[in-house]
Amino acid sequence: EDKVVQSPLSLVVHEGDTVTLNCSYEVTNFRSLLWYKQEKKAPTFLFMLTSSGIEKKSGRLSSILDKKELFSILNITATQTGDSAIYLCAALNRDDKIIFGKGTRLHILP
Amino acid sequence: SQTIHQWPATLVQPVGSPLSLECTVEGTSNPNLYWYRQAAGRGLQLLFYSIGIDQISSEVPQNLSASRPQDRQFILSSKKLLLSDSGFYLCAWSMGRFSQPQHFGDGTRLSIL
Repeated sequence: EDKVVQSPLSLVVHEGDTVTLNCSYEVTNFRSLLWYKQEKKAPTFLFMLTSSGIEKKSGRLSSILDKKELFSILNITATQTGDSAIYLCAALNRDDKIIFGKGTRLHILP
Repeated sequence: SQTIHQWPATLVQPVGSPLSLECTVEGTSNPNLYWYRQAAGRGLQLLFYSIGIDQISSEVPQNLSASRPQDRQFILSSKKLLLSDSGFYLCAWSMGRFSQPQHFGDGTRLSIL
């Protein structure tokens, strides 16, 4: 059965800290991995990763995919209170199936 | 620019009552449309997706149905709600099949009493 596992499930850090969120997957005919940020309502798209070893960056956020070890990480440097959210990881396969992880709830203390 | 609207934002319904949640997309044509349910601690579960008018695929057997009467309108329905239908329902659209990132609406929080 295809699955996506995120860790940790919950994380509390202080403002200014750097965090690393993990996503591992076991998906048949894997195509791409996506990261979303969900604050109060709608998840917003962060990254789509298709190639292994190529880092994608957006401001203080970056992500990379390892297709050999079947995982991805999302890094957030110099965290701010506005980074508090649920971070969702999802895997797409070549049959157009999408599987979401349960998310990591990140809370940044001021 | 494209926008997605979902309503209502919150809904409280008794067991056995019918349901209709609506989702519309503006600023694009022939989008792919999706309904998800997000239960606490269980991530996002894909319920239905549609690649065109009256073309609906169901991902999981359930008490719900979906319809797409117009190109940019996607409706989630039930004839009789169950307690287990409670959750946060999200509509999403994309411009291709799943190979493109999906963009989500603000969601409907459904509570069944």
